[in-house]
Amino acid sequence: DTEVTQTPKHLVMGMTNKKSLKCEQHMGHRAMYWYKQKAKKPPELMFVYSYEKLSINESVPSRFSPECPNSSLLNLHLHALQPEDSALYLCASSRIGGGTGELFFGEGSRLTVL
Amino acid sequence: SQQGEEDPQALSIQEGENATMNCSYKTSINNLQWYRQNSGRGLVHLILIRSNEREKHSGRLRVTLDTSKKSSSLLITASRAADTASYFCATDRTSGTYKYIFGTGTRLKVLA
Repeated sequence: DTEVTQTPKHLVMGMTNKKSLKCEQHMGHRAMYWYKQKAKKPPELMFVYSYEKLSINESVPSRFSPECPNSSLLNLHLHALQPEDSALYLCASSRIGGGTGELFFGEGSRLTVL
Repeated sequence: SQQGEEDPQALSIQEGENATMNCSYKTSINNLQWYRQNSGRGLVHLILIRSNEREKHSGRLRVTLDTSKKSSSLLITASRAADTASYFCATDRTSGTYKYIFGTGTRLKVLA
């Protein structure tokens, strides 16, 4: 199983809503990532978890709250977002140590904030 | 902050032609990877080249790395319409940080 599964595929939310994006992988990868991608732009790194601990936070606003409940799951909790947060949110995973460093990406969750 | 700049930003070629895209980066790297993204989809890993390697091949792909110039190129030979996608380079500056930063990307269109 070489899949990273993201849900939901599409999400529309108001600025006062609370929602979550979910990501799951069963490849035994111990590094998981959230990237944000705007149209015609490259993915921008938001967070990195290694061994279920947050290792990198790229100065992301606190209205985005990541969570890694176990080695297979990664969540991104969303609260009080702004319209400019509308984007494709990509989850990825990779091996730690001894691997190629290859990132495996999900298909993304397309978020629209009204 | 982006580590890599890619050129050209967009490239349009005929099927069967070769496509070359370039990536330049700013700081020393551990390795450099190339990814493909079809419109609105997830990214797919194509090839990785380590900082001590100069050239690597995988099928119709050829990647070169020049660490003295802080640049890499991706060559796709005998392109097909299915190669139409955006191509990104990604670098990690230090081994073990897993901080992969993507370049600005090249949008390739292969005309049938």
